[in-house]
This record gives sequence, structure tokens and C-alpha cells, in this order.
Amino acid sequence: ETGVTQSPTHLIKTRGQQVTLRCSSQSGHNTVSWYQQALGQGPQFIFQYYREEENGRGNFPPRFSGLQFPNYSSELNVNALELDDSALYLCASSSGGNGNEQFFGPGTRLTVL
Amino acid sequence: AQSVTQPDIHITVSEGASLELRCNYSYGATPYLFWYVQSPGQGLQLLLKYFSGDTLVQGIKGFEAEFKRSQSSFNLRKPSVHWSDAAEYFCAVGPPTNAGKSTFGDGTTLTVKP
Repeated sequence: ETGVTQSPTHLIKTRGQQVTLRCSSQSGHNTVSWYQQALGQGPQFIFQYYREEENGRGNFPPRFSGLQFPNYSSELNVNALELDDSALYLCASSSGGNGNEQFFGPGTRLTVL
Repeated sequence: AQSVTQPDIHITVSEGASLELRCNYSYGATPYLFWYVQSPGQGLQLLLKYFSGDTLVQGIKGFEAEFKRSQSSFNLRKPSVHWSDAAEYFCAVGPPTNAGKSTFGDGTTLTVKP
């Protein structure tokens, strides 16, 4: 069984640029959640995708957008990058829209200069 | 709105000593509670979870947690800490139907002295 994977591992961008982060869910999981973890803080919920539809969103601006594909992998896109977007981005997968456990990937470290 | 407070930013214990990490939550209904551990450069690993039933739950790596509704607390404990337990620990609360929408505390960093 393959766990949750994320790519790339690290990324450096400059202010104003756009970035795409990718996540492959664990086998058999159809729900992906994205979190932002700033340095010294806990993860903050960005949004969730269930069966290719957005299934809830946290307090993040519209320049944070996502996508889920038929194989349940997912992308997180961030437009007009700001310095405060520098963080570890985590994705987690679970089964069903009402999963009672989520499994996290190792994260993508984004640095915005 | 749901929230989680972990009052201790950093805790240091000696190897072999007991450990208790505090977690207080705010949630409007029956909460789904979690403890995760994060080692440097890694994602989060679930230690244990609670939704209903026995208020003392057992997890992996010898950890346990006790749910106290009257105190809105879900403290994590371990009777004897090992050097490999040094890591960051996060408490989280979520809706019973969807762990993927959890709210996390800001974590407690555990240092283990030899």
C-alpha cells in the first residue's frame, strides 16, 4: 500500500509568482485535505476535495485554489505569492467524505523571497 | 468556531520520566479529538483519536490520552519517555464526520534529556 506522497519537496519562488503543489492520495482514499503550516504554528485547514468537488474551505483567500483528478490525486495552486505564504504545505487523504482518520504526506516546503 | 489551545510551547523531560502534554479545546458539539506527532522534516503521524466511549484512549508508541468533557481537555500522557519521543506534538479537534477538516493547536515541542 502506497502512502500519501507530495511533490516537490522544496520550492523557492519570488513574490507575485504562481505555484502548483501536488499530492497523491493513499490507495483507496477519495478525499484530500490541504493544510498550511507556518513556522512555529500548527497546520491550518485550507480546503478539502471529495470526489473531485471542493468540500469545505478554511479562511484562505481565493488566490488559493485546488483541483482533484479522477484518480483522486490533487493540486494546490497559489497565485500572486506573498512573503507570508512561506510555509510547509501538507496534504492528507482519507476515505469517504466522512472519513474518521486522515493520513498525511511529508509536505512541500515553500519559500517565497 | 472550534479552537485548540496547547498551553505549553516547550517541555523538557528526562528519559524514563513521565510525560503529560496539555490540550484544551473549544467545540460546539461532540468533538472528534486527535493527537499527532511530527518529527523534523516529516508529516504528521496519528498517535490516537477519541470520539466516544471510554474516555481513556490508548494509542501507538505507549501513549494514552484522557478526555474530560467538564474541563474541555484531552491531555496526552506517557509513563516513561524514550529519547526517540523527542518531537513536536499537536492536538486537533474536528467534526465527527470529517477528520479532514480538523483545527490544530500550535503544538508542544518535547525535548528529552539523557
